[in-house]
Amino acid sequence: EPEVTQTPSHQVTQMGQEVILRCVPISNHLYFYWYRQILGQKVEFLVSFYNNEISEKSEIFDDQFSVERPDGSNFTLKIRSTKLEDSAMYFCASRRDRGPLNSNQPQHFGDGTRLSIL
Amino acid sequence: AQSVTQLDSHVSVSEGTPVLLRCNYSSSYSPSLFWYVQHPNKGLQLLLKYTSAATLVKGINGFEAEFKKSETSFHLTKPSAHMSDAAEYFCVVSLSGGYNKLIFGAGTRLAVHP
Repeated sequence: EPEVTQTPSHQVTQMGQEVILRCVPISNHLYFYWYRQILGQKVEFLVSFYNNEISEKSEIFDDQFSVERPDGSNFTLKIRSTKLEDSAMYFCASRRDRGPLNSNQPQHFGDGTRLSIL
Repeated sequence: AQSVTQLDSHVSVSEGTPVLLRCNYSSSYSPSLFWYVQHPNKGLQLLLKYTSAATLVKGINGFEAEFKKSETSFHLTKPSAHMSDAAEYFCVVSLSGGYNKLIFGAGTRLAVHP
C-alpha cells in the first residue's frame, strides 16, 4: 500500500539555524498538509497546500515557516530561524483529489520528523 | 467553530475485555469524523471514518464507532482488547468539503494488561 514518507526521522539543530523537513506524499494525491505535535500536547494543523499554493494556514504558521513543492514528488517545510519552542514532532499528510465522491477522503500521514532545537 | 473532546486521557483494560474510548465533538456543519491510532515512534494510522453514509462505522483491527448526532458523540469500541492495541488514539473532526484541515482531540492512551 502506498504511504507518505518523511525524512529525516530525527533532526537536531541549533537555535537560529534553518531547517528543512522533507516529505514525499502518495503519488496520486493533490492535497498536502503539515501538522505538529509538541511533546505532551495536541496534534495541531499548520498549513494546507493545493495547486502549488497555500490554501489555509494556522496562526502558528508565521513568517518563519514556508512550504514548497519543488518538484513533482517532494513537499517541504522550512523553518527559517528555529526557536526552542519549534521542538516538536512534525507530520506530513496527503489526500486524494476532492470531488463529489471524494470530499471525505481521509488524510494519510507519514511517520513524522522529530525536530529537536538546542 | 469545531472542536473535539476526548473524555479520558488514559484507559486501562485487561486483554480480552471490551474497549471504550469516548469522544464528543462540536461542529457547526456536517462533520467528517475519524479515529487515528499512533503506536510508539510511528505515524498516525487511520482506524475508521464517518462520512454520513452509516452511523455505525467499522474499521480495521476489529474497531468500530457509532455516530450519535443527538449526543454529539463518536465513541470508539472493540469487543475484545489485544495486547497489540496498546497505543494512543485520536478522535479527529474535519469540515466536509473545503481543504479539510483536521482538528485533533487530545488523545487517549490505551494500556492493555495481560
